[in-house]
Amino acid sequence: DGGITQSPKYLFRKEGQNVTLSCEQNLNHDAMYWYRQDPGQGLRLIYYSQIVNDFQKGDIAEGYSVSREKKESFPLTVTSAQKNPTAFYLCASSPQPRVRIPTQYFGPGTRLTVL
Amino acid sequence: DQQVKQNSPSLSVQEGRISILNCDYTNSMFDYFLWYKKYPAEGPTFLISISSIKDKNEDGRFTVFLNKSAKHLSLHIVPSQPGDSAVYFCAASAIFGNEKLTFGTGTRLTIIP
Repeated sequence: DGGITQSPKYLFRKEGQNVTLSCEQNLNHDAMYWYRQDPGQGLRLIYYSQIVNDFQKGDIAEGYSVSREKKESFPLTVTSAQKNPTAFYLCASSPQPRVRIPTQYFGPGTRLTVL
Repeated sequence: DQQVKQNSPSLSVQEGRISILNCDYTNSMFDYFLWYKKYPAEGPTFLISISSIKDKNEDGRFTVFLNKSAKHLSLHIVPSQPGDSAVYFCAASAIFGNEKLTFGTGTRLTIIP
């Protein structure tokens, strides 16, 4: 089955600890994205990557870091510098935008709770 | 600065009737618009999209209308079914915008049996 997987579904961490969220896709998509969703808000872009070994900051990158060493994987690290890390994190991917159809496909999400 | 706005946080519609969800945008560079459906604790699912060269796109029970002069789009669901109860997000992409999507805050649709 082709798709995007995020693990774990629920994650608990103590304040001050870094935590890494996993995102893997087997859709052969070039571009990958990380969003966070907070109650009553839309999805806000954290980081995105259009090709391997390259990524750009989104609208709320502070306190987060990413890597893109493989096409299939785009892990997100929530660092202790992120002031309000408790949120629902969503990973998405889309095909290389040669054709102007910027549809993104989402994983199931990870709920991070910092205690 | 909210470039994509969904001004109705919630909407209730009787089963079988038409549901109309609205979305406004401010950025004139947006040229592609998408609707996503989201259940609690799950990732959004792509529903339907429309390019700015069109004013209507239909897919089964779902139709999206785009009014470029008013910078407004709407999603029509007819007939509404209980399984349509979810949060619907409008999203937009700007030409030369690296395919990034800007999302609205969502509208929670409840279908009343």
